[in-house]
Amino acid sequence: SQQGEEDPQALSIQEGENATMNCSYKTSINNLQWYRQNSGRGLVHLILIRSNEREKHSGRLRVTLDTSKKSSSLLITASRAADTASYFCATDGGLTGGGNKLTFGTGTQLKVEL
Amino acid sequence: DAGVTQSPTHLIKTRGQQVTLRCSPKSGHDTVSWYQQALGQGPQFIFQYYEEEERQRGNFPDRFSGHQFPNYSSELNVNALLLGDSALYLCASSLVWRQDAGQYFGPGTRLTVT
Repeated sequence: SQQGEEDPQALSIQEGENATMNCSYKTSINNLQWYRQNSGRGLVHLILIRSNEREKHSGRLRVTLDTSKKSSSLLITASRAADTASYFCATDGGLTGGGNKLTFGTGTQLKVEL
Repeated sequence: DAGVTQSPTHLIKTRGQQVTLRCSPKSGHDTVSWYQQALGQGPQFIFQYYEEEERQRGNFPDRFSGHQFPNYSSELNVNALLLGDSALYLCASSLVWRQDAGQYFGPGTRLTVT
């Protein structure tokens, strides 16, 4: 089952604009990660934020985490056509049961138009 | 430095048949996880292998089984295929002591069951 949902399901913006995607989850987490997927291919790890962190930056990416609301957001600044992809949040509950598993959200389809 | 590789890329099988998918982890990685991604959905965790043993398992029936070899490569076996098993199967690798670094995904195997 999915951990939670992402909002919006689809987002269309112009090149140069900022894109914001939100993710909600249900259970306690060790960390939350964001991945990008192009056209049904493999996922690319973008950024990881630990449960004791509130904000993290990487290049044009900014991630926030609010564990009290069980939510996270991903901001992509100055978007480019190459950012067109599906974006997934994934939660890692930690080493429960001796392993780490990622529980993914439903994804946001981002389209950046020229 | 080779990333995660998966074979085959595409596969078409008939209901009731059995299938084996293969994965080679990123060089230096020792943990392999398998995910199933149905069309339009986020990936769902099947199981994870470390030191040739299954460390954690998702909510999948026993028809799904796996194996990890001494060189850390892995296989996913699915018996008695159902139409609902049609999906993209993703393999991801990581280091057991760097679970906070995210997982590296392969390009996936697209399985179609007719």
